Amino acid sequence: RKEVEQDPGPFNVPEGATVAFNCTYSNSASQSFFWYRQDCRKEPKLLMSVYSSGNEDGRFTAQLNRASQYISLLIRDSKLSDSATYLCVVNGRGTALIFGKGTTLSVSS
Amino acid sequence: DGGITQSPKYLFRKEGQNVTLSCEQNLNHDAMYWYRQDPGQGLRLIYYSQIVNDFQKGDIAEGYSVSREKKESFPLTVTSAQKNPTAFYLCASSPGDRGRYNSPLHFGNGTRLTVT
Repeated sequence: RKEVEQDPGPFNVPEGATVAFNCTYSNSASQSFFWYRQDCRKEPKLLMSVYSSGNEDGRFTAQLNRASQYISLLIRDSKLSDSATYLCVVNGRGTALIFGKGTTLSVSS
Repeated sequence: DGGITQSPKYLFRKEGQNVTLSCEQNLNHDAMYWYRQDPGQGLRLIYYSQIVNDFQKGDIAEGYSVSREKKESFPLTVTSAQKNPTAFYLCASSPGDRGRYNSPLHFGNGTRLTVT
């Protein structure tokens, strides 16, 4: 299994739709989990950290399933401005963070 | 405002030349990182530094070198030994790894290097 694996998509959804992304990770000892957003030709920006109990930030909900070693991101009521690539990030062995290749979301009107 | 500054935004070099990418942060972060991103690929770690005067190789360090003489600065040199240097280079920083948990990374705007 790759260290961090994501479905690359693209996910094409209409405005207002609910969309969910999953990300699997291989290191069962991982303790830190994040979702980043990256717009085309820009740097990644932190969207949200993922906590064991799950957490919500407005229309975004992140969840962690340690038993199955995956994290998820749910976006409700999609907006055009949500179109971007979403990167799953997990700490690997040692101190560095490992990035998935990203899932591309395209929201259309 | 605090942040990370990478310069230049676009850089063009001839094959065989070494080139140094600048990264400066005023966030007072201990840890700094260099990642490389290729089209359709995830970020791959080149080098990272947890403290001044110390740095470690990441997954793809061959053909690159770094220095960390000051807390604020972590320049990356792309040497002529790097076989495919054309890429988007991202510098990042974080408060550091204290305890078991990693802090999220703050990224600079990136430098697009094209080598012909």
